[in-house]
Amino acid sequence: EAQVTQNPRYLITVTGKKLTVTCSQNMNHEYMSWYRQDPGLGLRQIYYSMNVEVTDKGDVPEGYKVSRKEKRNFPLILESPSPNQTSLYFCASTKTGESPYEQYFGPGTRLTVT
Amino acid sequence: KQEVTQIPAALSVPEGENLVLNCSFTDSAIYNLQWFRQDPGKGLTSLLLIQSSQREQTSGRLNASLDKSSGRSTLYIAASQPGDSATYLCAGRLARGGGNKLTFGTGTQLKVEL
Repeated sequence: EAQVTQNPRYLITVTGKKLTVTCSQNMNHEYMSWYRQDPGLGLRQIYYSMNVEVTDKGDVPEGYKVSRKEKRNFPLILESPSPNQTSLYFCASTKTGESPYEQYFGPGTRLTVT
Repeated sequence: KQEVTQIPAALSVPEGENLVLNCSFTDSAIYNLQWFRQDPGKGLTSLLLIQSSQREQTSGRLNASLDKSSGRSTLYIAASQPGDSATYLCAGRLARGGGNKLTFGTGTQLKVEL
């Protein structure tokens, strides 16, 4: 089954404790990205990757890091989480160079930073 | 900068009613527009994708239209059911620049009552 998976689905952590949220897709998509969803603000893009070893900032990249060492994986790293990073996070992927560029989303990771 | 607006923010209708959800965007140079459904605390389910060259797409009781010149898209739900209760999000991908980033509206929360 074609899908985007994220782990963990739920995470409660404390300020300053480094964490990684994993994202993996099995559709051989080149493009992957991370979004966060907050009440009243909708989904906003954090980082994206056009392909392996190619990453760039989205609209709200502060406090986050990413890496793309393999095509299928795109982990989101919070080196020193803060309470304002409490949010619902989504990973997405799409195939580039081929219309219609439909985006597929993972199930979401709900992060709480205390 | 692309901005996407969805009105109303919330809508409550009796079962069986036909309804229309609205989405407007400021930059008419979009490549495609996707409609998603999100259940509380859950991920995003893609409902329909309309490419810029299309005027509408249909899937079952759902019909989405796109009018680039007016910067509007609508999602029509026929014969609504309680199971349609969810938040509906629209998101546009720009035709130039922005890579594959989707710009999301903040959603319309729909409740279909018995």
